[in-house]
Amino acid sequence: DSGVTQTPKHLITATGQRVTLRCSPRSGDLSVYWYQQSLDQGLQFLIQYYNGEERAKGNILERFSAQQFPDLHSELNLSSLELGDSALYFCASSKTGGNQPQHFGDGTRLSIL
Amino acid sequence: LAKTTQPISMDSYEGQEVNITCSHNNIATNDYITWYQQFPSQGPRFIIQGYKTKVTNEVASLFIPADRKSSTLSLPRVSLSDTAVYYCLVGDGAGSYQLTFGKGTKLSVIP
Repeated sequence: DSGVTQTPKHLITATGQRVTLRCSPRSGDLSVYWYQQSLDQGLQFLIQYYNGEERAKGNILERFSAQQFPDLHSELNLSSLELGDSALYFCASSKTGGNQPQHFGDGTRLSIL
Repeated sequence: LAKTTQPISMDSYEGQEVNITCSHNNIATNDYITWYQQFPSQGPRFIIQGYKTKVTNEVASLFIPADRKSSTLSLPRVSLSDTAVYYCLVGDGAGSYQLTFGKGTKLSVIP
């Protein structure tokens, strides 16, 4: 158990819809990261937050947004969903960022019908 | 961000030692080298991290030569449960740690 909690575990929705994925980091971790993993693809870094502020941005689409709240949990919002957005979405956390190892949740599997 | 190159796949018999080498020719001075393990439909799991020479923990060893342009993850006496994808990553420690996961190395352990 990594200590990182992601909800929901599975999400099925239709094209054009909007969904919110939630992540609770490990106790004491200030940094949260979001990744996307499509079928047979590597993990793509989306975005990082540190103590409520955006720290780094990767290959995140404009239709996607995220935030980290004062209690340090984070949400990833995906809108105008397309079939290609079907993937596993992982959240990871670390104490401060930088070289600290990241601890990953079990992911949210998003299926777009 | 420094790129890494790893073999796409490796096979090993149970009980053998497995060494997975990763090259990172453009590693920066303040980059650490980190290895993760991922099972299907699970999040990656941190295995080991190092900066130079040798690091050992309860599950693996990491060997880093003086020029730091490569690193080798060593898994002693693998078992079937070690079948997974192994990722080597480098990144700068300057506040953000934007990890770039490549395809990793798919290790298959054969009975």
